[in-house]
Amino acid sequence: AQSVTQLGSHVSVSEGALVLLRCNYSSSVPPYLFWYVQYPNQGLQLLLKYTSAATLVKGINGFEAEFKKSETSFHLTKPSAHMSDAAEYFCAVGSGGSNYKLTFGKGTLLTVNP
Amino acid sequence: NAGVMQNPRHLVRRRGQEARLRCSPMKGHSHVYWYRQLPEEGLKFMVYLQKENIIDESGMPKERFSAEFPKEGPSILRIQQVVRGDSAAYFCASSSLTVNTEAFFGQGTRLTVV
Repeated sequence: AQSVTQLGSHVSVSEGALVLLRCNYSSSVPPYLFWYVQYPNQGLQLLLKYTSAATLVKGINGFEAEFKKSETSFHLTKPSAHMSDAAEYFCAVGSGGSNYKLTFGKGTLLTVNP
Repeated sequence: NAGVMQNPRHLVRRRGQEARLRCSPMKGHSHVYWYRQLPEEGLKFMVYLQKENIIDESGMPKERFSAEFPKEGPSILRIQQVVRGDSAAYFCASSSLTVNTEAFFGQGTRLTVV
């Protein structure tokens, strides 16, 4: 069984500040991990994914995430927030490289203040 | 290459009516997945289909819900005798494979039961 916990349903940062969105996972098999972004009334867009290669994964829009097996974490970061980053972010886990039957966290709403 | 197309974007149904949600996968994609997003929740897997076959429906409610992906035409998620608890956003995703490829999500259908 797999599960994802996103700590903090709402994160608020100032423009230019560091963005840190937390994700912890539970998986009985080597996980494949994903971060998706959802803008209002839009579908989900893949930001980045971890597929057992490099533990530091770079994605689109300046985001990156680091896989830490010992901490079962896959936190999402961006050095400097932009107003356009305001959205909801979902962490998800799959197994065996599969994008089938992903298990999603409840999401973190990111607000960026001017 | 158009993305995953879902229609309608918004659907309002009275209790007891039927809801039909359509999903046209990306060109060349033969794997379709349906997810449901309840308010303030993450996406929950419902069903995985390939052309003319249901591969995994473990996330589908046992009653009133059905899905199909015919040889020709879009995938359909059908909800009979809708109740208020069915109000949610329903997302469809498609992929060309089930491993090591990205699943692309549509913009979703927001169902409101009144």
